[in-house]
Amino acid sequence: DAKTTQPPSMDCAEGRAANLPCNHSTISGNEYVYWYRQIHSQGPQYIIHGLKNNETNEMASLIITEDRKSSTLILPHATLRDTAVYYCIVRGLTTSGTYKYIFGTGTRLKVLA
Amino acid sequence: DGGITQSPKYLFRKEGQNVTLSCEQNLNHDAMYWYRQDPGQGLRLIYYSQIVNDFQKGDIAEGYSVSREKKESFPLTVTSAQKNPTAFYLCASSSTSMSSYEQYFGPGTRLTVT
Repeated sequence: DAKTTQPPSMDCAEGRAANLPCNHSTISGNEYVYWYRQIHSQGPQYIIHGLKNNETNEMASLIITEDRKSSTLILPHATLRDTAVYYCIVRGLTTSGTYKYIFGTGTRLKVLA
Repeated sequence: DGGITQSPKYLFRKEGQNVTLSCEQNLNHDAMYWYRQDPGQGLRLIYYSQIVNDFQKGDIAEGYSVSREKKESFPLTVTSAQKNPTAFYLCASSSTSMSSYEQYFGPGTRLTVT
């Protein structure tokens, strides 16, 4: 199973870009990288995912290195409501051949006023 | 509104009792999942189901059981065999499409066993 490594915590000033790094050095060629966030005591919320190319949606941008061993989630203009735990997840395969997420412990992002 | 509902939000039980957590979705998703989350930790997969009347064990299935009699419902039973049942339980669903696999999570049930 591919595993991810993230810094345990980060601070970001409100209005500035938040750049959250993730290492996934053992990722396989067909494994996607997903990002979710979890606000305290709620279910995780999907943000974005990618395989090889950089991706952007209305919430964030995902930059994946060419060797695919790391990625960065970018929140372009962080707000106080972006304070949450951010999970970088690799989509792996179960023993029965179906997909599953492999969660790490995430990065606790605190956006400061 | 489409989404996933879990009930109840908080649940208290005495040790030695079985307890069933409810999960319902109206997203027409084939796949459903149960996760457990302990304080300060990520989510761990308990059971998952890709289709009605079929389910597989995840990474920490011991002490839990599930059923999938309807597409919309995937209840989880925490049995008395589960040694440390106090945790936050999350249900999720997704399509089974290879390219569209984002999981949609419910609000969770916080179970406390004393």
